[in-house]
Amino acid sequence: KAGVTQTPRYLIKTRGQQVTLSCSPISGHRSVSWYQQTPGQGLQFLFEYFSETQRNKGNFPGRFSGRQFSNSRSEMNVSTLELGDSALYLCASSPRLAGIDEQFFGPGTRLTVL
Amino acid sequence: DAKTTQPNSMESNEEEPVHLPCNHSTISGTDYIHWYRQLPSQGPEYVIHGLTSNVNNRMASLAIAEDRKSSTLILHRATLRDAAVYYCILRDTSGTYKYIFGTGTRLKVLA
Repeated sequence: KAGVTQTPRYLIKTRGQQVTLSCSPISGHRSVSWYQQTPGQGLQFLFEYFSETQRNKGNFPGRFSGRQFSNSRSEMNVSTLELGDSALYLCASSPRLAGIDEQFFGPGTRLTVL
Repeated sequence: DAKTTQPNSMESNEEEPVHLPCNHSTISGTDYIHWYRQLPSQGPEYVIHGLTSNVNNRMASLAIAEDRKSSTLILHRATLRDAAVYYCILRDTSGTYKYIFGTGTRLKVLA
């Protein structure tokens, strides 16, 4: 079974631009969560989608948004990029809402904002 | 949100057992305790999780204190491939379902 895939793997943007990251969960998984990882703040939860609905949201500004499609694939969008948005963005999937179930993480997308 | 506290780093000799502690004094009754690890340049990888009872799987064992305010991840025989950052996480299953990652413990395994 294929693992969680994320595209692109690396991305360079400039301040003020917007970016869209994509995540394909493991086949059959209905929950997709997004995380931001930086050296200073560590791993921080962004949001979780289940059956095309956002179920949980972390403490991030409204510039961070996401969506999930009927095939469970998910995208996250960051608008008006700031230097501090440079980070590794990780996507994780699980069969059900990621509470009791383990999450399977993708390799991440490394975003650099110049 | 419940928080976890872990030592920043630990060292272990290869082939010896490793006990990685985690304090979670504000844990609630519906919080599951999860452990993940992150190898260099990779996404986190699930290790083990439990609620109240001790748990074993092929990777590790999880020992949970009776009052659930602390837990210990046990790697029975550390190998060089176990060198990673280990995260202890509480997962609320009563409604928010959020994962709150702490700063983790960087485990160094010495040959």
